Amino acid sequence: AQKVTQAQTEISVVEKEDVTLDCVYETRDTTYYLFWYKQPPSGELVFLIRRNSFDEQNEISGRYSWNFQKSTSSFNFTITASQVVDSAVYFCALSSNFGNEKLTFGTGTRLTIIP
Amino acid sequence: EPEVTQTPSHQVTQMGQEVILRCVPISNHLYFYWYRQILGQKVEFLVSFYNNEISEKSEIFDDQFSVERPDGSNFTLKIRSTKLEDSAMYFCASSELRTVYGYTFGSGTRLTVV
Repeated sequence: AQKVTQAQTEISVVEKEDVTLDCVYETRDTTYYLFWYKQPPSGELVFLIRRNSFDEQNEISGRYSWNFQKSTSSFNFTITASQVVDSAVYFCALSSNFGNEKLTFGTGTRLTIIP
Repeated sequence: EPEVTQTPSHQVTQMGQEVILRCVPISNHLYFYWYRQILGQKVEFLVSFYNNEISEKSEIFDDQFSVERPDGSNFTLKIRSTKLEDSAMYFCASSELRTVYGYTFGSGTRLTVV
């Protein structure tokens, strides 16, 4: 069975601080995909990144960066120089195979950026 | 940019009534999904649909639920006799075959059962 753990339920940081959201996953599959989604107060799910299990390169997109470590089964997400607009719930998710399989979500981390 | 469209955005229904949630997936996508998010909780998989049949369903997706692709464009989720605990946000999603970009989610339908 697949499982995604986001141990941080809520995080608050002051604007411009850096913040890291943790994600630990469990799967028996050798091929799998990891995702991060953002859910702003309006409720929609906004896709941030998809990473396959064979690609352990870290990725940076603007103020966002992701650290994938297969050895520790972790896929952590860092926001640099946080902004108020980053306030949202962030979900880590896992799927097997080619990403057309169901997504297993973590419980989410509510991030609040204090102006 | 193509998007998945869900209607209505919010529906209120009385307990025991049937509801149909509607979704228009992206036109060239082949896989369709419904997910549910009870308020304040995580997003949970309900069902996946491919080639006009259910490919996988979760324990949540019991006999009260059904899905249909009635006309080649719409994808619907029906709840036959709603319960209070069915109150949740329901997300539709679609994906291409072997996609690089993963799923595209709709903006959700908030169902409130009173």
